[in-house]
Amino acid sequence: GNSVTQMEGPVTLSEEAFLTINCTYTATGYPSLFWYVQYPGEGLQLLLKATKADDKGSNKGFEATYRKETTSFHLEKGSVQVSDSAVYFCALSRRSSASKIIFGSGTRLSIRP
Amino acid sequence: SQTIHQWPATLVQPVGSPLSLECTVEGTSNPNLYWYRQAAGRGLQLLFYSVGIGQISSEVPQNLSASRPQDRQFILSSKKLLLSDSGFYLCAWRARGANTEAFFGQGTRLTVV
Repeated sequence: GNSVTQMEGPVTLSEEAFLTINCTYTATGYPSLFWYVQYPGEGLQLLLKATKADDKGSNKGFEATYRKETTSFHLEKGSVQVSDSAVYFCALSRRSSASKIIFGSGTRLSIRP
Repeated sequence: SQTIHQWPATLVQPVGSPLSLECTVEGTSNPNLYWYRQAAGRGLQLLFYSVGIGQISSEVPQNLSASRPQDRQFILSSKKLLLSDSGFYLCAWRARGANTEAFFGQGTRLTVV
């Protein structure tokens, strides 16, 4: 079946450090891939997305590249800020009538000043 | 533009009491609708999804039910709450037939005491 695996948290970094949160997926065909962010007490917001192989999604300094050969969609940011502290979810969706979105377990990120 | 409303924001209910959470979407027609639950410190569990009025699919057996009485209204219910029903409930919508992102409400924090 379809699934998403992302690195366990929590991840704690100092401000201005480089960030990588790993995400790999299992799915048949060509799913769309997403990263969502959840700030404390809030719903999920779309951070970035990619709909086909080799696409790069980017937003707010975050980037992720859709790698079909390694079935991965790792999230990166060159210099994190305290305001980036949140929970990050990797997700996929296949083209089907039900259009379910499958989420990873989430990675909590904490940035120290 | 499309918006999604979810209420109430927080709810404290005694064990054995009924539950009704409501979600409405504006600015779109025929959306796919979803209910997710997030237990404390955990990932997202898909509870129900709906591709049309009166069409409900359940992902996991549980103490909850869902209904879609109107195109843009999705209701999560329970006749008798259990302690294990506590969690953060999120409603989401996405465009029918498109493999695009889902949009989330702000969530309802339910505590069963």
